[in-house]
Amino acid sequence: GDSVTQMEGPVTLSEEAFLTINCTYTATGYPSLFWYVQYPGEGLQLLLKATKADDKGSNKGFEATYRKETTSFHLEKGSVQVSDSAVYFCALSDPAQKLVFGTGTRLLVSP
Amino acid sequence: GAVVSQHPSWVICKSGTSVKIECRSLDFQATTMFWYRQFPKQSLMLMATSNEGSKATYEQGVEKDKFLINHASLTLSTLTVTSAHPEDSSFYICSARSSDRATYEQYFGPGTRLTVT
Repeated sequence: GDSVTQMEGPVTLSEEAFLTINCTYTATGYPSLFWYVQYPGEGLQLLLKATKADDKGSNKGFEATYRKETTSFHLEKGSVQVSDSAVYFCALSDPAQKLVFGTGTRLLVSP
Repeated sequence: GAVVSQHPSWVICKSGTSVKIECRSLDFQATTMFWYRQFPKQSLMLMATSNEGSKATYEQGVEKDKFLINHASLTLSTLTVTSAHPEDSSFYICSARSSDRATYEQYFGPGTRLTVT
């Protein structure tokens, strides 16, 4: 079945550092890809999405590009802030429109 | 817009009792709601999909007699954990999918932490 693999955390960075969280997927069709963020004590929020190959999703300074050739959807941000500390989940939607999640990556940003 | 609430946010119950968790879409109609379970430091595991007015569809390995799901209206779904045991302790999260077919986006509730003693 479809699956998502993302890098294990925690990822620890200093403020203003560059962020990359790797995500790769396995799917039989052409899924939509998502990044969700979960702040402490809150529910998951959609951060960005891409629905087809070469699409770039972006929001709040984060971006990710749907790479069909490498089956990847890596999350990047040029300069992280303390407020970005959270758990980030990569996900895809399978043909039944169900979400399949990766295991999540915790990001810790220190001042 | 697109807010989903869950109640309670946390609950402690004794082994053998039943617990009901509510999931509400506050400002939109949701024909489909999903229930997930999240273990510590692990991903969300889809338990079941519920469609308003019909029986829920459970994922493989999820006991439908133990996790009763009711989706009685376009804004409310409930998950009842029956005869709870300590191994049912977990973080339960619901999501609601907008009836807007153009997006199919899911909106997530804040989760309910269940502890069974």
